[in-house]
Amino acid sequence: TQLLEQSPQFLSIQEGENLTVYCNSSSVFSSLQWYRQEPGEGPVLLVTVVTGGEVKKLKRLTFQFGDARKDSSLHITAAQPGDTGLYLCAGGGDTNAGKSTFGDGTTLTVKP
Amino acid sequence: DVKVTQSSRYLVKRTGEKVFLECVQDMDHENMFWYRQDPGLGLRLIYFSYDVKMKEKGDIPEGYSVSREKKERFSLILESASTNQTSMYLCASSLVPRRLGGRKGYTFGSGTRLTVV
Repeated sequence: TQLLEQSPQFLSIQEGENLTVYCNSSSVFSSLQWYRQEPGEGPVLLVTVVTGGEVKKLKRLTFQFGDARKDSSLHITAAQPGDTGLYLCAGGGDTNAGKSTFGDGTTLTVKP
Repeated sequence: DVKVTQSSRYLVKRTGEKVFLECVQDMDHENMFWYRQDPGLGLRLIYFSYDVKMKEKGDIPEGYSVSREKKERFSLILESASTNQTSMYLCASSLVPRRLGGRKGYTFGSGTRLTVV
């Protein structure tokens, strides 16, 4: 069974600060996704990384896939209150059924 | 953009009732999934389907069943609702990996918050 561990579990910061969230596994994943979920809504896909060492940027968010494809990080620069939410990483989905493994998430609160 | 639509945002049902949660996607995705999400427990897979009339048990299928009669629709059925099934239910869909765009992750619906009293 492939497992994904996210850290930290909770993060509360002031507006304007930078932060990094981590997603780690002992298993190799062929691709990894990051989602953001706002309270009362479903998760929304932010990015998919597929190549070891890959870096993708989405405005103030920077996603990196580890060289060995076992880990990933999400870095947010100058966080804003609108970044508040639950951040989930997920991997796998290579079988025909496309079933992914999800981490337990990092709950981010950005205070004005 | 593909959309996944869940029929209800909020539901309140009584213990013992049979409950149907409906999910429809509009982009010809093969795979569909039902998860429940509870504080401290993360997303737990109930059932998934990779084709019409095909279904596979996830990690917590007890007390649930599913139906997929058409490609775009995946229904979750609580045979006899119990209070421990009070939860946020999330439906998702995805392309199979062999198709263009496969391995690109899930598209989730907005969720159904079910309360069983």
